[in-house]
Amino acid sequence: DAGVTQSPTHLIKTRGQQVTLRCSPISGHKSVSWYQQVLGQGPQFIFQYYEKEERGRGNFPDRFSARQFPNYSSELNVNALLLGDSALYLCASSLGRTGELFFGEGSRLTVL
Amino acid sequence: RKEVEQDPGPFNVPEGATVAFNCTYSNSASQSFFWYRQDCRKEPKLLMSVYSSGNEDGRFTAQLNRASQYISLLIRDSKLSDSATYLCVVNTGGQGSWGKLQFGAGTQVVVTP
Repeated sequence: DAGVTQSPTHLIKTRGQQVTLRCSPISGHKSVSWYQQVLGQGPQFIFQYYEKEERGRGNFPDRFSARQFPNYSSELNVNALLLGDSALYLCASSLGRTGELFFGEGSRLTVL
Repeated sequence: RKEVEQDPGPFNVPEGATVAFNCTYSNSASQSFFWYRQDCRKEPKLLMSVYSSGNEDGRFTAQLNRASQYISLLIRDSKLSDSATYLCVVNTGGQGSWGKLQFGAGTQVVVTP
């Protein structure tokens, strides 16, 4: 069975640009969460979606937004990129509220 | 204060030895707890959930102390393949809420021959 897939795997942007990251969850998983991981730190929670509704939001500015589609895939959008947005963006799917998260390999964003 | 705090290490462990490390969490309403493992430049993967009564999975033993708000992980008979960063994860939501998973910064373990 396919795991969580994310695209693109690597990308380079310049300050002020916008980026869209995509995630396809494991088949049957209705919950998708997004995390940002800066080098040397643990993943930081950005959003959780379940059944297309936002169920949680972390302490990130409004430049970060996300949505979940009817097929449970998800997109994370970041506007007006800053140098500090350079990080590994991880998508994780799960069956529901808590429990095991299955992570994708991440999208590594570099902002120049 | 961070919601989940871990000793970053590294813990340098001879092969075959035992290593143990803790993490502390600040939200007393936290409901569920996990240890994840992350290899260098890879995604985190669940190692084990942590139950109130403590639990064991092979060479790995996890303990939860709610009164002192800490979680521990013990690795027995360390293997070279155990070298990784171990992330302590806490669901900070209260009963009935969705909560969110808070990750610690990780404890690096290096097992040496």
